[in-house]
Amino acid sequence: QVQLVQSGAELKKPGASVKVSCSVSGYRLIELPMHWVRQAPGTGLEWMGGFDAEKGETIYAQKFQGRVTLTEDTSTDTAHMELSSLRSEDTAMYYCVTENLNAWGQGTLVTVSS
Amino acid sequence: DIQMTQSPSTLSASVGDRVTITCRASQSISSWLAWYQQKPGKAPKLLIYKASSLESGVPSRFSGSGSGTDFTLTISSLQPDDFATYYCQQYNSYSWTFGQGTKVEIK
Repeated sequence: QVQLVQSGAELKKPGASVKVSCSVSGYRLIELPMHWVRQAPGTGLEWMGGFDAEKGETIYAQKFQGRVTLTEDTSTDTAHMELSSLRSEDTAMYYCVTENLNAWGQGTLVTVSS
Repeated sequence: DIQMTQSPSTLSASVGDRVTITCRASQSISSWLAWYQQKPGKAPKLLIYKASSLESGVPSRFSGSGSGTDFTLTISSLQPDDFATYYCQQYNSYSWTFGQGTKVEIK
């Protein structure tokens, strides 16, 4: 059974960076690309980016271009999402999700506050 | 980006009611549409993919229909466990977008 386990909650100051990890079990990361979605408190879901297997490249939402970096370590089956230049509006729950949509991590709460 | 418009934003219903939620895409997405259920403090749970395919383990009272730009999620007989927020999502292009959500409340 596919399971995605994310790293713990983070508290960051404005301007800092955060790196969230997503550890995969039940399959190999190389078999199924990972995407990242975030949800600010009380709001809807927002796609940040993911790996396009057809093009062999990572695609980022325009809103996050230049601030987000998605990486995958296939030796440890762990995906990472790094978001830089954090601001208060980045306070949200961050989720990793498999490209076939049916497996989500439990979420990582990132709080940005001075 | 493809815009997804869900309606209604809130729905009050009773146990046993038939419930319908609609989702409209700003351009054709063929059948590349998913529906999720989300409860407070939890990750979204996939209910329907490819517009009408029921995810394994999801009760058969959930069904999806539509193609192109107009889609529907139907709960045939609302159960106590179904009170939650529902989202549609298009994955036609590599810039996934979600509807704004429909909260199903107890009447």
